[in-house]
Amino acid sequence: DIQMTQSPSSLSASVGDRVTITCRASLLINNYLAWIQQKPGKAPKSLIYAASTLQSGVPSRFSGSGSGTDFTLTISSLQPEDFATYYCQQYNTYPPTFGGGTRVEIK
Amino acid sequence: QVQLQESGPGLVKPSETLSLTCTVSGGSISRYYWSWIRQPPGKGLEWIGYVYNGRTNYNPSLRSRVTILLETSRNQFSLKLSSVTAADTAVYYCARHSGIYFPFDYWGQGALVTVSS
Repeated sequence: DIQMTQSPSSLSASVGDRVTITCRASLLINNYLAWIQQKPGKAPKSLIYAASTLQSGVPSRFSGSGSGTDFTLTISSLQPEDFATYYCQQYNTYPPTFGGGTRVEIK
Repeated sequence: QVQLQESGPGLVKPSETLSLTCTVSGGSISRYYWSWIRQPPGKGLEWIGYVYNGRTNYNPSLRSRVTILLETSRNQFSLKLSSVTAADTAVYYCARHSGIYFPFDYWGQGALVTVSS
């Protein structure tokens, strides 16, 4: 299975901060990389697919970049509703696998 | 707006079979791939398998114990996991994707299933 390694596992930030989360795949994944937001008790929400394409309705403060094995999720100006856990996920090779998650907390 | 909702028993005894159903509203179940994903408490997400028009693909780590079925007439699909142990305690999610190599675009809220006697 392809291993997905996220860092950091958690971070504290303030409203308005720029936040960056990284994800590294153990093998090349041809940009078949998604970012998912999860809030307690709610359905996970797909934010980005194909490494950098925003899902419909996702605010433009979210962006994704990277290629090959190294990817980044950036939130340009953190908003109160963005405090959540974020996961990367590869869908290039079965089984699909997920990173361990990054918990974004209020500073 | 597509919505997915998991349902089923929240408590299953060891060695028995876990059964969950995902009900899909707001769209046809026939044109998409439908997956189950789980998350044990405090741990990461694990893909279990998918169904598409009766065809299935399972995670090799669970293949011997998993069955996923599509019930098109009810706009539902189901998960059965046999011979469960405490290690199968998790929140189980259902999710939709548009193809084999497509991301999950809609998820259910999740259903906690505890394996305990």
